[in-house]
Amino acid sequence: DTAVSQTPKYLVTQMGNDKSIKCEQNLGHDTMYWYKQDSKKFLKIMFSYNNKELIINETVPNRFSPKSPDKAHLNLHINSLELGDSAVYFCASSQAGALTGGYTFGSGTRLTVV
Amino acid sequence: DAKTTQPPSMDCAEGRAANLPCNHSTISGNEYVYWYRQIHSQGPQYIIHGLKNNETNEMASLIITEDRKSSTLILPHATLRDTAVYYCIVGGSGSARQLTFGSGTQLTVLP
Repeated sequence: DTAVSQTPKYLVTQMGNDKSIKCEQNLGHDTMYWYKQDSKKFLKIMFSYNNKELIINETVPNRFSPKSPDKAHLNLHINSLELGDSAVYFCASSQAGALTGGYTFGSGTRLTVV
Repeated sequence: DAKTTQPPSMDCAEGRAANLPCNHSTISGNEYVYWYRQIHSQGPQYIIHGLKNNETNEMASLIITEDRKSSTLILPHATLRDTAVYYCIVGGSGSARQLTFGSGTQLTVLP
């Protein structure tokens, strides 16, 4: 019944590896996001997809590649992982329209690069 | 990039009202005020949002000043479970709206 689910919850990997984080939402929302929360706890948007199309791509290294196979899924693939990629990554979804204000966030994926 | 200013921390006694202020003096006419909170290690949780009028839901009330340059989130009867970081955010409502989180207010509810 989880509205926005991310897997895995924890991910420990070595530098240089490639890893993916999956996100699925069952809310019927048309927009999905990836946020990164670093050790200082700042939440920064990375990407936004609306109906499977990329609409926001903040200044993120091109080692990060989002993929949206359908509007219920937004996966994040990271190549050549670096120590600085260690953070908590949150997926979120929302529905366009002024009357629906909320983003629904997943519970996060804690990525540790060693 | 944050367009809001919040106190870094506040305490509140359990059972009392918690009033969390936010300044957003550069808010534009079509931007909404959103409030989210993040309980330790969890994903942010939507609380409430408003444009001009005061709003109330089962979680909280939002009071927006007439000039819209500031707002206050009110938790009417704070409980220990309300201890969290509270974020005040301004943003649009279109399909590409982007919410930029600032540093928020750490609210600690004391027994």
